Amino acid sequence: GAVVSQHPSWVICKSGTSVKIECRSLDFQATTMFWYRQFPKQSLMLMATSNEGSKATYEQGVEKDKFLINHASLTLSTLTVTSAHPEDSSFYICSARDLQGANEKLFFGSGTQLSVL
Amino acid sequence: GQQVMQIPQYQHVQEGEDFTTYCNSSTTLSNIQWYKQRPGGHPVFLIQLVKSGEVKKQKRLTFQFGEAKKNSSLHITATQTTDVGTYFCAGRNAGNMLTFGGGTRLMVKP
Repeated sequence: GAVVSQHPSWVICKSGTSVKIECRSLDFQATTMFWYRQFPKQSLMLMATSNEGSKATYEQGVEKDKFLINHASLTLSTLTVTSAHPEDSSFYICSARDLQGANEKLFFGSGTQLSVL
Repeated sequence: GQQVMQIPQYQHVQEGEDFTTYCNSSTTLSNIQWYKQRPGGHPVFLIQLVKSGEVKKQKRLTFQFGEAKKNSSLHITATQTTDVGTYFCAGRNAGNMLTFGGGTRLMVKP
């Protein structure tokens, strides 16, 4: 079945540094990918919708200059947390939409746990 | 690594029939979450189960966490067309890794 690979699984960084998270669709082309954030014991929160070849659509309250999204190819989307601060520590997860004819299916990456010191 | 299998992948039911989706983890989970994604939308959190053998209900939806904390189920009684969508389970292990199942797509015929 379709697989979405997300890297890294864990990242610890110093405050002020930038962190890049990759989301790859391994055996299908994903024109649309989604980025989520999840705080402990809380639900997934959609951050942005990433469309190949165009600018990402950010949800209300999500800083586009803080969370840079690039979807340069049909199999790769990246999320860069710029100038990370401790409050950015969270679990980030991506998903990719696979359009199989009339059937749409969403596949999730395994997530990235970001800890900012 | 941790694997979470969800079955069935697809389910067609007649409106009014019951529906169940099952989730099985290769490792013991600290908790399990369920999400619903409407066609064209993004996953929306439904519930989290934490305790062994826990059963929770939300109107016509019944969620159960297995005694061994390795499996879970979502049962919908008397489905309605508004139940259409894909239901995902997501298991969190002791290392705080969240792994999603592949989802079960529910289609309801009116």
